[in-house]
This record gives sequence, structure tokens and C-alpha cells, in this order.
Amino acid sequence: EEQLVESGGGLVEPGGSLKLSCAGSGFTFANAWMTWVRQAPGKGLEWVGRIKSLASGGTVDYAVPVKGRFTISRDDPRKMFFLQMSGLTTEDTAVYYCINRWGSWGQGTLVTVSS
Amino acid sequence: DIQLTQSPSSLSASVGDRVTITCQASQDINNYLNWFQQKPGKAPRLLIYDASHSETGVPSRFSGSGSGTYFTFTISSLKPEDIATYYCHQYYNVPRTFGQGTKVEIK
Repeated sequence: EEQLVESGGGLVEPGGSLKLSCAGSGFTFANAWMTWVRQAPGKGLEWVGRIKSLASGGTVDYAVPVKGRFTISRDDPRKMFFLQMSGLTTEDTAVYYCINRWGSWGQGTLVTVSS
Repeated sequence: DIQLTQSPSSLSASVGDRVTITCQASQDINNYLNWFQQKPGKAPRLLIYDASHSETGVPSRFSGSGSGTYFTFTISSLKPEDIATYYCHQYYNVPRTFGQGTKVEIK
């Protein structure tokens, strides 16, 4: 059974940094194109970015609001996927989901940016 | 970026009613469209992929159609457990984008 487990969420002050992790199991992680999607409280879904598999070039694409502040990476031997966030603002407050394929989502981890 | 306009933003219907949600893309996305269901406090669940194909295990009352720029999602006979917010989503190109969501309630 495919499983994705996010961790690393929490409370951070504006301007701060936070790194989210996502552990994958039950699928061939190295072949997966991994995606982050977020959802601000009471709002809709927002695509954050995606990293292709290394076999597909490992290319990373970002949404405009996070480009230059967020970095997506992967560690295939550990079956881990990461979202390094810096320069955080209150607009980044959201539940962050990691996704293997569109039918397989993690449970989400809450990031709250507040002073 | 491709904009997805969902309509309506919310609806109230009776149990057993047929419910239809539309999603209009700002440019041709072929059939690269998903439909998700999200219940409060839960991760979204994929119901329909490639505009009209049902994900494994999805009840047959859920269906999707369309291609190009106009898509529809239908619940043929609304059940109480279908209360949720539904989102369309395009994966034709990056950045991937979502519709703003349609909240479905029971009348």
C-alpha cells in the first residue's frame, strides 16, 4: 500500500525558515515525480511545486509565489522528499501535502507563520 | 498560467438529485483534468482523471466529461456522504492549477 507521511510543520515567525519532509513507502520512490500542494485555512488548493524523477532529469518547477524562497529536493535512497522554506510570510500559513501521484496524498502537515 | 473557473462556487441539493459542476479552462488542456473530492480535515481524494476516467474504487454515481476547455463533473444521485468540496485540476502544464472549488451541501 502506498503511503506518504509528512513531518516538520509547526509555528514559525515571519521571515523564518522551516523544512518539511515526506517519507514515501509502498511504491518505487525513485521513479516518482513528487509534488507539494498547500491549502491555507478555509481556502482552496494551491500547487507549490514538483520535482521529477532523476531518470527524467530531476527538474524542479515552482509556483510563482514561492519561487526563490522555497527549495524542493529528494533523497531517493532514503525515500524522502523535502520542502525547504525560507523568507516565510503569513501568506504561507497552510496545510502542506506531499503527493506521489494525484491519487496518493499524505495526510498533510500544518505550517503556521505568526509572530 | 492556465486559469480554471468552476461553477457554481456552492450548491444545495436534495438527496437523490443530479448534481453538475462545470470547469472552464482558459486555454485548451486536451483531457488533462482531474476532479477531487475533499471532506473537512481530510486530504483530497481523486475521483476522476483524464477528464472522464474513474479512479479505482470510486462509486459509479460520480462521472466526468469534456475535453479542450469545457468540462463537467456529475453526481448522478446525491447521497449524504457526498457532502464535500469538489475541485477540478489541470495537469496539462506547469504551474499546475486548481479550480476555486464547489461546496456541495444537502438541502
